[in-house]
Amino acid sequence: DAGITQSPRHKVTETGTPVTLRCHQTENHRYMYWYRQDPGHGLRLIHYSYGVKDTDKGEVSDGYSVSRSKTEDFLLTLESATSSQTSVYFCAVRPQRGSEVQSSYEQYFGPGTRLTVT
Amino acid sequence: RKEVEQDPGPFNVPEGATVAFNCTYSNSASQSFFWYRQDCRKEPKLLMSVYSSGNEDGRFTAQLNRASQYISLLIRDSKLSDSATYLCVVNRDNYGQNFVFGPGTRLSVLP
Repeated sequence: DAGITQSPRHKVTETGTPVTLRCHQTENHRYMYWYRQDPGHGLRLIHYSYGVKDTDKGEVSDGYSVSRSKTEDFLLTLESATSSQTSVYFCAVRPQRGSEVQSSYEQYFGPGTRLTVT
Repeated sequence: RKEVEQDPGPFNVPEGATVAFNCTYSNSASQSFFWYRQDCRKEPKLLMSVYSSGNEDGRFTAQLNRASQYISLLIRDSKLSDSATYLCVVNRDNYGQNFVFGPGTRLSVLP
């Protein structure tokens, strides 16, 4: 158990409304990630963070923004939700090992948020 | 062509069978490799990292062939609880920030 929670776990919203998903971790990991998972695509990286206030874009960042004001929280915001953003959203953390050996770049995932945009 | 490709599946095997999953990646600069399992409507969970020398964890064996850009996962003596989707994951860079997930291969172990 990597101590990751996501909220809400399920949400239905209407097109054009703003939505914020929260990822909370209890183990002070530096690196955090947001992914979306859709049939036929596997998981795709939306944004990631490598520290408080340090974030960068992933493969599918259009339409999404993130914020990390505290180590433990990584927020994903859909400014104006669209039906194409209906998906399952997973947060992940990557523990930083002391030697940063590449083979230790393991990620641990939260339980996911199922978002439906109608 | 997708950057990480996996056997399309699904694989339906009887209990006790040996099953092998294959994964190929196209970016030769990829640095580290992993297998995750994902149960239906659950989050992916790390199964094992894949080391250059190959590694084994109980009934699971992972192999990496950098020259052929190929990763494999072998499951021996399949159990009903092994039924899941197996995801191949490749890290593209030196910083542990750029992960690419394969689409997954579904395994059903039948009694």
